[in-house]
Amino acid sequence: QKEVEQDPGPLSVPEGAIVSLNCTYSNSAFQYFMWYRQYSRKGPELLMYTYSSGNKEDGRFTAQVDKSSKYISLFIRDSQPSDSATYLCAMSYQAGTALIFGKGTTLSVSS
Amino acid sequence: DGGITQSPKYLFRKEGQNVTLSCEQNLNHDAMYWYRQDPGQGLRLIYYSQIVNDFQKGDIAEGYSVSREKKESFPLTVTSAQKNPTAFYLCASSIMSTQYFGPGTRLTVL
Repeated sequence: QKEVEQDPGPLSVPEGAIVSLNCTYSNSAFQYFMWYRQYSRKGPELLMYTYSSGNKEDGRFTAQVDKSSKYISLFIRDSQPSDSATYLCAMSYQAGTALIFGKGTTLSVSS
Repeated sequence: DGGITQSPKYLFRKEGQNVTLSCEQNLNHDAMYWYRQDPGQGLRLIYYSQIVNDFQKGDIAEGYSVSREKKESFPLTVTSAQKNPTAFYLCASSIMSTQYFGPGTRLTVL
């Protein structure tokens, strides 16, 4: 079993839809959870950062961590064509250590 | 203008050649990383360095080498021993647990 599992998609939604992106993981020692957005041929950019369990909201984006289920989610409200990208989840055991990445989910938002 | 720069953006290599990819950061971050990204594979860790003059192998270090002589710089050399070097290479630096990425270098072997 891989440490971090992420459905690669592709996921296609109409503009304005609510998008749910998810990752599961196997190691309960993970404490730091991140979501990155990557446009084609560009470096990933950090979207959301969460420590331990709980929710975090930033504009149209909400990150959720459920450590009991080993499950993290990213919700995008009122999705826009500019949200079309690959979304990568990442996590680590402790601060300063290398991240373990999911393989990424490709999202396409049509106008 | 703070951030991470990688050069060149595109690089072409003939088989049997070594090439060096540049990564520079002015964020004053201690830790730096190199990843390789292939279609459908996600990001795989090649090498990382948590402090100057020290670095560790990641999951796929074979055929690669690095140096960390300065805090700002972490160059990656792709040697002729790397059998399948065509990929998108990403450099990152971190503060605490948050990593920030450069724009990447696309390496193609001819």
